[in-house]
Amino acid sequence: GQQLNQSPQSMFIQEGEDVSMNCTSSSIFNTWLWYKQDPGEGPVLLIALYKAGELTSNGRLTAQFGITRKDSFLNISASIPSDVGIYFCAGGNTGTASKLTFGTGTRLQVTL
Amino acid sequence: DVKVTQSSRYLVKRTGEKVFLECVQDMDHENMFWYRQDPGLGLRLIYFSYDVKMKEKGDIPEGYSVSREKKERFSLILESASTNQTSMYLCASSLIRLNEKLFFGSGTQLSVL
Repeated sequence: GQQLNQSPQSMFIQEGEDVSMNCTSSSIFNTWLWYKQDPGEGPVLLIALYKAGELTSNGRLTAQFGITRKDSFLNISASIPSDVGIYFCAGGNTGTASKLTFGTGTRLQVTL
Repeated sequence: DVKVTQSSRYLVKRTGEKVFLECVQDMDHENMFWYRQDPGLGLRLIYFSYDVKMKEKGDIPEGYSVSREKKERFSLILESASTNQTSMYLCASSLIRLNEKLFFGSGTQLSVL
């Protein structure tokens, strides 16, 4: 099955820095989602995007649905220690009983 | 809040054993899913189910089977465990009309020796 490529694979940043990560696909999706997995837990939905070009924020997080519908971006502003975890993108096609395709994940570690 | 509960946090099994991973959700969700998570590979779908007694293969169903006898419970079965099935297994559920919004359990780390 297809996988989505996320970049970077991992990153160390200092507290207070901004973070950018992206996700690319060879297929078009009509839905892009971003999940976060805290250590020892299952992933939790952060942001859902439903329209090409859409920009959506959730607190310090901002995600964009790429205009080509083959990519998505997530930015975190002013990172804090609790941002540590693995961020997964996922692509899907709503309206069908279809499954999501998840990305390979970006592991974020924040140093004080 | 939706709760998805996986019966074991850690499991250690021997090669060839039959292994059952159990998952229960408490919000009457129609959809349930089993994923495995491996470093560098992300989440890969093993099987999913839209209703009781219904199942569909995901991307990597080989070596696995599932059972959904009740709406709230979805079991993953490893008929004869092998070392390459050592992994983190995640169960998830969703409403059928919002099938992109998955609610995950905390995972079961399975080691097959």
